[in-house]
Amino acid sequence: DTEVTQTPKHLVMGMTNKKSLKCEQHMGHRAMYWYKQKAKKPPELMFVYSYEKLSINESVPSRFSPECPNSSLLNLHLHALQPEDSALYLCASSRREGNTEAFFGQGTRLTVV
Amino acid sequence: AQTVTQSQPEMSVQEAETVTLSCTYDTSESDYYLFWYKQPPSRQMILVIRQEAYKQQNATENRFSVNFQKAAKSFSLKISDSQLGDAAMYFCAYRSFQGGSEKLVFGKGTKLTVNP
Repeated sequence: DTEVTQTPKHLVMGMTNKKSLKCEQHMGHRAMYWYKQKAKKPPELMFVYSYEKLSINESVPSRFSPECPNSSLLNLHLHALQPEDSALYLCASSRREGNTEAFFGQGTRLTVV
Repeated sequence: AQTVTQSQPEMSVQEAETVTLSCTYDTSESDYYLFWYKQPPSRQMILVIRQEAYKQQNATENRFSVNFQKAAKSFSLKISDSQLGDAAMYFCAYRSFQGGSEKLVFGKGTKLTVNP
């Protein structure tokens, strides 16, 4: 199993809603990531979890709240988002050590209305 | 901080021909990894090829190969015998270790069009 599964694939939410994005991998990877990607731009790192602990927060607004309940799951809780937060949100995972690449999910296309 | 530069926003190639995508990077580290990722319209980032900085030999994966020049901090991707399915955004990426955790830095991407 070399997949990273993200749900939902599409999400439309209002600015007062609370929603969550989910990411799951069963490759035994101990590093997991959230990236935000705007159209025609590269992915921008938001958060890194290493061994279920938050190790990097790239100064992301508090309306985005990550959570890593266990080594296979990564959530991104959303609250009071703005229209400019509309983007593709990509989850990725990689082995903590060694020469390995990050495996990406197919992303969640988020639209904030 | 590490930066990755892709100077070609768009490239095009005829089917069955060869194309080279450019990438340069800036780092003060001696040990790191470099990657080329492909992102087709389906959105998923797919690894094309990777290169370890400590290896002098250029990586090759079937029709894809790199020209890694460590001193020049250059990492170009050559696609041989281009196929229609190669059309996608290509991102060059650098992996560093920051604060004990991994961080992947991307270039701005090159959109590759393959003409039949």
